[in-house]
Amino acid sequence: NAGVTQTPKFRILKIGQSMTLQCTQDMNHNYMYWYRQDPGMGLKLIYYSVGAGITDKGEVPNGYNVSRSTTEDFPLRLELAAPSQTSVYFCASSLDRAGPEAFFGQGTRLTVV
Amino acid sequence: AQKITQTQPGMFVQEKEAVTLDCTYDTSDPSYGLFWYKQPSSGEMIFLIYQGSYDQQNATEGRYSLNFQKARKSANLVISASQLGDSAMYFCAMREWNSGNTPLVFGKGTRLSVIA
Repeated sequence: NAGVTQTPKFRILKIGQSMTLQCTQDMNHNYMYWYRQDPGMGLKLIYYSVGAGITDKGEVPNGYNVSRSTTEDFPLRLELAAPSQTSVYFCASSLDRAGPEAFFGQGTRLTVV
Repeated sequence: AQKITQTQPGMFVQEKEAVTLDCTYDTSDPSYGLFWYKQPSSGEMIFLIYQGSYDQQNATEGRYSLNFQKARKSANLVISASQLGDSAMYFCAMREWNSGNTPLVFGKGTRLSVIA
């Protein structure tokens, strides 16, 4: 099925561990985004990309890194996980800047203990 | 300053009735877009409806309509003929077009419960 695919769906990390959240889309969208959603809150932008090789920080980038080597993939790297990074992470994509992030992945629920 | 305000943490509506979810926004950018998303208990984010700041008509998508009052800076979502499957969190969001490559800014959401 076309859309945005995130893996894994759930993960528990120990403090100080690292991991990569994978995100891939097969719609040839230029724009891709990573959001986090804390309990009872809306989404906050971590990083975004406007095309392969181009990334930029969002509202809450500290503790994360991204790369965009291809149009399809936009992985999010957590280095030295902290309890404050316990959240649900969403990847999203859109065809262009003017459109809404109409396509979201299913989300990754991350717990750091 | 909060750019998107959703003042209703939770709402109840009887099945088949209409319900309005409130959203007010704050921006000095004359060009912006307003969006509503639905998040069911399964967790995915589902795009519902979009309204551009220059759109003359209120946006409609099936049972969803956006009551856009520009002077009041409000963009309320109206769901007509509520169904049990409408029970979910609803988020209002905004993007400013003239401020560079700005992302969507989300409100804190409203939890809608539809009662049979």
